[in-house]
Amino acid sequence: NAGVTQTPKFQVLKTGQSMTLQCAQDMNHNSMYWYRQDPGMGLRLIYYSASEGTTDKGEVPNGYNVSRLNKREFSLRLESAAPSQTSVYFCASRAISYNEQFFGPGTRLTVL
Amino acid sequence: QQQVKQSPQSLIVQKGGISIINCAYENTAFDYFPWYQQFPGKGPALLIAIRPDVSEKKEGRFTISFNKSAKQFSLHIMDSQPGDSATYFCAARPMDSNYQLIWGAGTKLIIKP
Repeated sequence: NAGVTQTPKFQVLKTGQSMTLQCAQDMNHNSMYWYRQDPGMGLRLIYYSASEGTTDKGEVPNGYNVSRLNKREFSLRLESAAPSQTSVYFCASRAISYNEQFFGPGTRLTVL
Repeated sequence: QQQVKQSPQSLIVQKGGISIINCAYENTAFDYFPWYQQFPGKGPALLIAIRPDVSEKKEGRFTISFNKSAKQFSLHIMDSQPGDSATYFCAARPMDSNYQLIWGAGTKLIIKP
């Protein structure tokens, strides 16, 4: 089992460019999450999907969109990247009956 | 807005010493308090967790102490080892949300050999 995988690992964008961060899990988990991690600010929830077919905004959704493509995959899209979106992005998943969130290895995004 | 305040921001402990990280919350409506450990270049991973009906939980060298009346919980690492050097996050789950966690800002722990 690969757990939670994320692509790409690193990305550099110019202001105004768009991109999609991919996340997949092979644990048959129902819930999936997108976080951003910035120094001194911990993990902030961008969007989450409680189950296939549903998505909800988290703490910092502005500038992002998500798609729960199927039970395995949850993508995060930046339509017009801004320097304030420079961050490390983590995807996580969780089984319906358990509390633990399993995290991917992260994507380090720099917006110039 | 619900918050979880974590301290200290960074901590240096000698090998074999006790590392203590504290968290405080401002809302009583939490029902689950996990601690996550993150190594450089990796995602966070669950270390240990506690529910508010328990005052202490121990797993090996790691102990959570929970003080419901003070709205505080802490992580104690006994006999700290260089391999424990990592960033630690506390979190709390609101009772009205089965899906979200409110995260502390993190503590960077360095264990000196």
